[in-house]
Amino acid sequence: AQRVTQPEKLLSVFKGAPVELKCNYSYSGSPELFWYVQYSRQRLQLLLRHISRESIKGFTADLNKGETSFHLKKPFAQEEDSAMYYCARGYNTNAGKSTFGDGTTLTVKP
Amino acid sequence: ETGVTQSPTHLIKTRGQQVTLRCSSQSGHNTVSWYQQALGQGPQFIFQYYREEENGRGNFPPRFSGLQFPNYSSELNVNALELDDSALYLCASSLGLAGAQYFGPGTRLTVT
Repeated sequence: AQRVTQPEKLLSVFKGAPVELKCNYSYSGSPELFWYVQYSRQRLQLLLRHISRESIKGFTADLNKGETSFHLKKPFAQEEDSAMYYCARGYNTNAGKSTFGDGTTLTVKP
Repeated sequence: ETGVTQSPTHLIKTRGQQVTLRCSSQSGHNTVSWYQQALGQGPQFIFQYYREEENGRGNFPPRFSGLQFPNYSSELNVNALELDDSALYLCASSLGLAGAQYFGPGTRLTVT
């Protein structure tokens, strides 16, 4: 069975500090990896997907097939980055059949 | 452009009853995926509908069933409710199978 592991349930950093949210996935087939974010009282929304190779809101994530990781990084955290972050793996042909991790709550302190 | 909507927002049912949850996909989207999210966990894939046909199912029993209509809205039906079915049910729509998913706000189901 596919598995996505986010080892940290809670992560707290100060404003301006670098932040890295970890994600590891079980390897099989042609995975596509995603990061979703849920801000307080808002719905779950896509932050970025690895095939797009975009930087969204200053966040980047690199797919490391050797380590089966897809860590989310931002060099300078902002208070508005405080949210729940979910890593998910789907397929490059089907983003909807996704396996999600259990999420990491990021708190950025002033 | 109208986003994904779900109804009802909250629902309380008794064990053994049946429930129907509804999802209206974003305008132009032809794919709907349903997820169950238990407290403190990530969403878990239930099934997906593409152009009115089921296109894959996760590890859920047959008492979880669904439909997709010609306008691409969708229903999730759960029969013989169990206490463990208490969760937030999310639907997400996309344009095609590989398209980015847009989530609805969810329906909170409580089974007593």
